[in-house]
Parts: sequence; structure tokens; C-alpha cells
Amino acid sequence: GAGVSQTPSNKVTEKGKYVELRCDPISGHTALYWYRQSLGQGPEFLIYFQGTGAADDSGLPNDRFFAVRPEGSVSTLKIQRTERGDSAVYLCASSLGAGGNTEAFFGQGTRLTVV
Amino acid sequence: GENVEQHPSTLSVQEGDSAVIKCTYSDSASNYFPWYKQELGKRPQLIIDIRSNVGEKKDQRIAVTLNKTAKHFSLHITETQPEDSAVYFCATLRSGGYQKVTFGTGTKLQVIP
Repeated sequence: GAGVSQTPSNKVTEKGKYVELRCDPISGHTALYWYRQSLGQGPEFLIYFQGTGAADDSGLPNDRFFAVRPEGSVSTLKIQRTERGDSAVYLCASSLGAGGNTEAFFGQGTRLTVV
Repeated sequence: GENVEQHPSTLSVQEGDSAVIKCTYSDSASNYFPWYKQELGKRPQLIIDIRSNVGEKKDQRIAVTLNKTAKHFSLHITETQPEDSAVYFCATLRSGGYQKVTFGTGTKLQVIP
């Protein structure tokens, strides 16, 4: 596709359930980021992939959050035992990769609501 | 880690006036400074960026200035229009082994017709 694609666009889940959020980056982009954005706030860094490996996962809030990118393309953010405080828009971005100052392109985000 | 502070958090200007948003950062190794515009319910989109070897960059009504010594950079919008109303985020990035974009907290700009 032409841009970063995230699915689903909206997800409502019950407290305690497990959710998966998918990001399909721009073809050829080796760098992939996940951010979380609460209402009125800036994007909060969660995790960064360079290829298949998580180069920096320091932003993951706790061990309920996990992300994978097994083939260096599509990434899945997984949240276990969801809590109401997890409600936010989860943004994915991709860029060409390390070694240069390249623009990060964002997806439309997945709005997660935990009820 | 990097810390980016952005001011003001909200800004209201009359149509046609100028708007200035300022950011400071802590990591002296940061060398790329993009600005993103996020309209309500939409994704952040890059509007202008500046690299550390340049002090100023302009694109039509938008300009960005960078002072690496003081570790601050600013976004200037001239002749503001209602469609400029949005939330603006500054960000920093350091090249090298890996890249991690660090965002400021955002400025909600309202242009009053």
C-alpha cells in the first residue's frame, strides 16, 4: 500500500481481555515504531523495531504489553489482561531505517477502548 | 534519555497574525528536528523539518529555526489561516545505531477568523 496501514481502526474490548493491534508499514521501511496517544497528549513512545528485532522497548509500560515483527514487515502489538487505563489511540509509524534522519510516516491509528 | 519540552500548550491567534511554538531538548546528540501537525482525529503528519547543520529553514508560510548551542528550536507560522488550527508537535531524533523519535507534549493552535 501507499502508506502505513493499521487495523482495526477501532477496537472495544472488555477489561481483562487480550487484544492484538496490527501495523503494516510502508514497503521497504525497516524501522517501525509503536506509540500510544492519550486524549490531548503527544505520542508516547512504546517500542522501536529495526528489522525483526526490537531495538528499544523501553517505552512498554509493563509486561502486559508485547510486540513482534517476525518477518521485518508487519508488526503486532499485543496487550494482555487489558485495563481501562490502556484506552488510547495506538499509533504505528515507519521510516526507511537507521543511519539517516528520515521522516517517520504514521498510520491512522487504532482507537482502543477498554470497558 | 531525551527530554523535549514544548511551549505553549495552547495558542490562540487572530487570522493573519503569526504564531510561534518553541521547544527545548536535552540530548546534545539529537540532530534532526521534525515538526508534525495533527488535525482532530487524524494522524500526525510532517510539515517541516530541520537538520543540525542548518540554522533556519522556510517553506512558504512555515519556518523553523534551530539553536544547537542553546538546544532549542522553534516553529513560526506567518499569515495564519483557519486551516492552520491543529495540534503541533515538535520532535527530535538522533541518528546512529537506531532512531527513536521523541515528541514534545504538543501545542493546540486555534486561528480565530
